[in-house]
Amino acid sequence: EPEVTQTPSHQVTQMGQEVILRCVPISNHLYFYWYRQILGQKVEFLVSFYNNEISEKSEIFDDQFSVERPDGSNFTLKIRSTKLEDSAMYFCASTEQGQRAGELFFGEGSRLTVL
Amino acid sequence: SQQGEEDPQALSIQEGENATMNCSYKTSINNLQWYRQNSGRGLVHLILIRSNEREKHSGRLRVTLDTSKKSSSLLITASRAADTASYFCATDARGSQGNLIFGKGTKLSVKP
Repeated sequence: EPEVTQTPSHQVTQMGQEVILRCVPISNHLYFYWYRQILGQKVEFLVSFYNNEISEKSEIFDDQFSVERPDGSNFTLKIRSTKLEDSAMYFCASTEQGQRAGELFFGEGSRLTVL
Repeated sequence: SQQGEEDPQALSIQEGENATMNCSYKTSINNLQWYRQNSGRGLVHLILIRSNEREKHSGRLRVTLDTSKKSSSLLITASRAADTASYFCATDARGSQGNLIFGKGTKLSVKP
């Protein structure tokens, strides 16, 4: 069964460092998302991406964050200068028709620890 | 309560019992979805119910939606130890760009 894959599964970084989290969405999906979940808290929407551009972003997704689809298969989330409060699980998701149509397919997540 | 707020926060039952989790939301929605998350893992979609539907079944799952009360419930019948997980409702609010708003979740523990 096709699945969304994410790497790395866990990354530890120092505050102020740049981090890139990678995702390979399901191949025929057209809409891509990043969500994050701080330990013990809600899953929060960060950004949605369609047709090679951001279609929506939340207040969390400030100038320190960026997304890219560099090669038609990978979908990356970059945090330019990490802060302690960026420590969280980051989930990539994809869907064929956009969220209004139905379910999102989530990856297993990348745990980011900022020291 | 916030958009997509579940209760109870935690639920502990014996195997074979039914588990009911509730979700309330604030704004009008296109649809409401339930997801499951095993500890430290990704989210798995369980079921979607549209705003014009009142009840939906999938295997041992039954979801109801009351748009007048802005609430939904997820019933898991004949629970199994493998159902132990956190369960989240997520809404796709009308007028939004379509991002999902998740609740804090209900942590279900099913004891064998």
